[in-house]
Amino acid sequence: GIQVEQSPPDLILQEGANSTLRCNFSDSVNNLQWFHQNPWGQLINLFYIPSGTKQNGRLSATTVATERYSLLYISSSQTTDSGVYFCAVLNTNAGKSTFGDGTTLTVKP
Amino acid sequence: SQTIHQWPATLVQPVGSPLSLECTVEGTSNPNLYWYRQAAGRGLQLLFYSVGIGQISSEVPQNLSASRPQDRQFILSSKKLLLSDSGFYLCAWMGTPRTGELFFGEGSRLTVL
Repeated sequence: GIQVEQSPPDLILQEGANSTLRCNFSDSVNNLQWFHQNPWGQLINLFYIPSGTKQNGRLSATTVATERYSLLYISSSQTTDSGVYFCAVLNTNAGKSTFGDGTTLTVKP
Repeated sequence: SQTIHQWPATLVQPVGSPLSLECTVEGTSNPNLYWYRQAAGRGLQLLFYSVGIGQISSEVPQNLSASRPQDRQFILSSKKLLLSDSGFYLCAWMGTPRTGELFFGEGSRLTVL
């Protein structure tokens, strides 16, 4: 099956700093999503981004499908950005998504 | 708009007891439905998925089973819980099978003692 690798596994930032999270995948995919898991465990959809670049406030994401990676940018980080960020890819032939192990982000005040 | 709900939110059960977690989706028909499990500090593991009523695919051999008695209802069950069944269980639906965008419920936290 598809392998999904996220890096770094852990990231500690000071409030106001910028960061880049990376997601590499091993095969062609039809879809890629970024999620934020908050401290209560809820998975929040950040981006549905099979290719190209999208922005939503302080967050943006870029997927280069031909090179099999995606990047999530967080600018001017806030303590509420803390949590685990997951990347998930879908191969529609298989009908199911594969998740990376996540990046745990801690933003300190 | 579409919504997805899970219950119970929290559950503490003794080893050997049965389990039933329920997930329902509103505002859509014939969705693909999924059960994931997340052990403490780990990623998400796909347990079961269903493309229609009575159609269940199992990803990991284990102590759990799933059923889909109605179009928008997905149930995760066990006859006898093990300590290793503890974890955070998440139900999800796929917005459109072609695009594959997943939406998750609030999750059910299970502790087996």
